[in-house]
Amino acid sequence: GENVGLHLPTLSVQEGDNSIINCAYSNSASDYFIWYKQESGKGPQFIIDIRSNMDKRQGQRVTVLLNKTVKHLSLQIAATQPGDSAVYFCAEPPNSGGSNYKLTFGKGTLLTVNP
Amino acid sequence: DGGITQSPKYLFRKEGQNVTLSCEQNLNHDAMYWYRQDPGQGLRLIYYSQIVNDFQKGDIAEGYSVSREKKESFPLTVTSAQKNPTAFYLCASSIGGYGYGYTFGSGTRLTVV
Repeated sequence: GENVGLHLPTLSVQEGDNSIINCAYSNSASDYFIWYKQESGKGPQFIIDIRSNMDKRQGQRVTVLLNKTVKHLSLQIAATQPGDSAVYFCAEPPNSGGSNYKLTFGKGTLLTVNP
Repeated sequence: DGGITQSPKYLFRKEGQNVTLSCEQNLNHDAMYWYRQDPGQGLRLIYYSQIVNDFQKGDIAEGYSVSREKKESFPLTVTSAQKNPTAFYLCASSIGGYGYGYTFGSGTRLTVV
């Protein structure tokens, strides 16, 4: 992965609204992406992943969408709750299928949920 | 339950001292990693190890050292050569193959006093 970045560094939403966090990537060969959530003072936690043979993957209240045409992925959180307030990172391996599997992390988006 | 444990949670270092951060995992993961995180910043890779007795420098290895004598353990030493060591340090592990994510520890916050 040559570049994993985020469109918005901060996002503020009202409790109950849906949240959308975006991530752009530049390596068209990337075929695996992961979203992590990091609460203040804690380590990142795995949320959901998606492989390039899929356009959409759903988890519990979260959905990840992958648009390979424009090299963009998004994380959608339904009915956002105060406990969702955190920094969200997208990540990808640098080389598709190679032995180098160090993840490249985006800078993150800070999601703040207002009660 | 399997997991990855970092200790201590908070660490204070005096100028000129070396300090060692502990990272232990019982997930039977081959690969382990150390990241540094500064306030409002992303994760920067310090060192990583794909297998026991082997490790490679990451993007910001200067002033740090590691060892990987056991599969379960990957301690990080912050040496006196690291001029700006105050940061949040995260250890992670993974199965090691392509297409797998990381499991992170809860982090160690290091402060120079």
